[in-house]
Amino acid sequence: QVQLVESGGGVVQPGSSLRLSCAASGFTFSNYDMHWVRQAPGKGLEWVTIIAHDGNNKYYADSVKGRFTISRDNSKNTLYLQMNSLRPEDTAVYYCARITSLGDDYWGQGTLVTVSS
Amino acid sequence: DIQMTQSPSSLSASVGDRVTITCRASQGIRNDLGWYQQKPGKAPKRLIYAASSLRSGVPSRFSGSGSGTEFTLTISSLQPEDFATYYCLQHNIYPATFGQGTKLEIK
Repeated sequence: QVQLVESGGGVVQPGSSLRLSCAASGFTFSNYDMHWVRQAPGKGLEWVTIIAHDGNNKYYADSVKGRFTISRDNSKNTLYLQMNSLRPEDTAVYYCARITSLGDDYWGQGTLVTVSS
Repeated sequence: DIQMTQSPSSLSASVGDRVTITCRASQGIRNDLGWYQQKPGKAPKRLIYAASSLRSGVPSRFSGSGSGTEFTLTISSLQPEDFATYYCLQHNIYPATFGQGTKLEIK
């Protein structure tokens, strides 16, 4: 069955960096575009970024453009989110997700990132 | 960027009620819209894809309609397990954007 497992969250100070990982299994990872979505405590969902199946195309939300970088390693079935210059407003649960136009989508359980001094 | 305006932001209803949630896009997005249900502490789950197609295993009391700029999610007869927060997501043009969410509460 499809599984997405995020890791790498934690408590960091403003201005610092963090890299999240998402280990995928149960499907052919290299065939699918992948997303990161976040949710600040008590707030709604915010789409963050997408990477094409082959890594060649990427899009970002304006709120993270220039600070966050999405990448993938298809040989390791792993998705990454490099987060630099973190701000308190980046505090959120970060989900990786396989969202397609049709059919079923799949989400991980999320990993909490807290940016606080 | 495309803005998704979702209404209402909250809704109080009773078991058995019919409810409708609306998302309006700031420009046309064809039918590239999904509806999600999220319960506290859980990841979202997509109920409807391509604006009106029901995900396998989702009860038929859920339905979606619309195309272009106006979309609706309808729950025909609310069940206790349907009390949750609902979001729309457009993925026609990136950046993708969620609606602000609708919290459905028990009256």
